[in-house]
Amino acid sequence: DTAVSQTPKYLVTQMGNDKSIKCEQNLGHDTMYWYKQDSKKFLKIMFSYNNKELIINETVPNRFSPKSPDKAHLNLHINSLELGDSAVYFCASSQDFGGARETQYFGPGTRLLVL
Amino acid sequence: AQSVTQLGSHVSVSEGALVLLRCNYSSSVPPYLFWYVQYPNQGLQLLLKYTTGATLVKGINGFEAEFKKSETSFHLTKPSAHMSDAAEYFCAVRWGGSQGNLIFGKGTKLSVKP
Repeated sequence: DTAVSQTPKYLVTQMGNDKSIKCEQNLGHDTMYWYKQDSKKFLKIMFSYNNKELIINETVPNRFSPKSPDKAHLNLHINSLELGDSAVYFCASSQDFGGARETQYFGPGTRLLVL
Repeated sequence: AQSVTQLGSHVSVSEGALVLLRCNYSSSVPPYLFWYVQYPNQGLQLLLKYTTGATLVKGINGFEAEFKKSETSFHLTKPSAHMSDAAEYFCAVRWGGSQGNLIFGKGTKLSVKP
């Protein structure tokens, strides 16, 4: 009964490949996020979706494309993977984006290593 | 630009000692404040948050934090460290408005010595 789940947990791939990371939340939340945590543990938001609509798109290469088939899912597709994409990617969700006080619930992370 | 500063990337304490992890934010407008904990190879878990009301906030695992508007701070404390507290701790802030992102500090790694 994991609240926010991500697959896969680990992903090792070659430069130039295309890969996807999946995220699902069973909390009934309206808003989902993708964060990137670099090798120095710094966390930065990449995207946010509210009710399947893109709300935030930070300065992220267009090789990264989020897709939200429904409110409970937000997948991240990455084209032409580069060495610098190696990081831990976290999915998160919250009840309502407009509520700044809302707690964000994080998934366990996907550790991506590009060789 | 609004920012969050966590003083000390690594803090080491002895078991049973006081834990103090510092967090300051840059804006004079009070934000909503959060502390998250990340255990090795795991996701982030909310420890506590301040939105409104009492400025001393109690969280899980015996942690608490006090919002001090005059100092733009939200330091995290625990009276007595336990070995299981060893983890990475992140302070995060979010300002109101529909476009407010959750902005994280760079994290503080807490080590607990026996």
